[in-house]
Amino acid sequence: GAVVSQHPSRVICKSGTSVKIECRSLDFQATTMFWYRQFPKKSLMLMATSNEGSKATYEQGVEKDKFLINHASLTLSTLTVTSAHPEDSSFYICSAFRTGGAKNIQYFGAGTRLSVL
Amino acid sequence: AQKITQTQPGMFVQEKEAVTLDCTYDTSDQSYGLFWYKQPSSGEMIFLIYQGSYDEQNATEGRYSLNFQKARKSANLVISASQLGDSAMYFCAMRYNNAGNMLTFGGGTRLMVKP
Repeated sequence: GAVVSQHPSRVICKSGTSVKIECRSLDFQATTMFWYRQFPKKSLMLMATSNEGSKATYEQGVEKDKFLINHASLTLSTLTVTSAHPEDSSFYICSAFRTGGAKNIQYFGAGTRLSVL
Repeated sequence: AQKITQTQPGMFVQEKEAVTLDCTYDTSDQSYGLFWYKQPSSGEMIFLIYQGSYDEQNATEGRYSLNFQKARKSANLVISASQLGDSAMYFCAMRYNNAGNMLTFGGGTRLMVKP
């Protein structure tokens, strides 16, 4: 399957600092990437759709000023958690949407576990 | 509203036996895609299998097969010859072709394979 790289896999930061998470599609170009948040023992919750060269589309209830998304190239999207607080601690996972035939599959990164102290 | 339901929060299966994970969906769209992903404890989401709403045959990928019953709006995952490494969370997801190719996920099923 296609490869999506997400970095870092784990980050611990102090309250009030900002954290950047990168999502790269390694062997295909992705005009669309998605960012999800997952709470323990829960399903994935879509936060935003990241479109190359345009503004991200945020889901209802997701603060766009808190979670900044940049999709500057066809292989890279970044999520920046600004002024992080303990309630932002979570598992964040990205996916890259690969078109091709009828399947149009989303391939996922390995996720980033964020802990805010 | 589109909705995916996985009614089994947890399942046990004996190693080498087959297991079926249930998934039902609700949509009025005619064109959609159904996916199953595996999430081991490491957290990554691994794509397993895909079924298109217009596909007449059930999808198969190695030990995974999808029992697609369109009239009943169900897309159950069948894992044959379970292995210890199959222990993980399994998520059913649906792509709505009129919704920017976003995925909506079910609540997941935790599968535990017993030796």
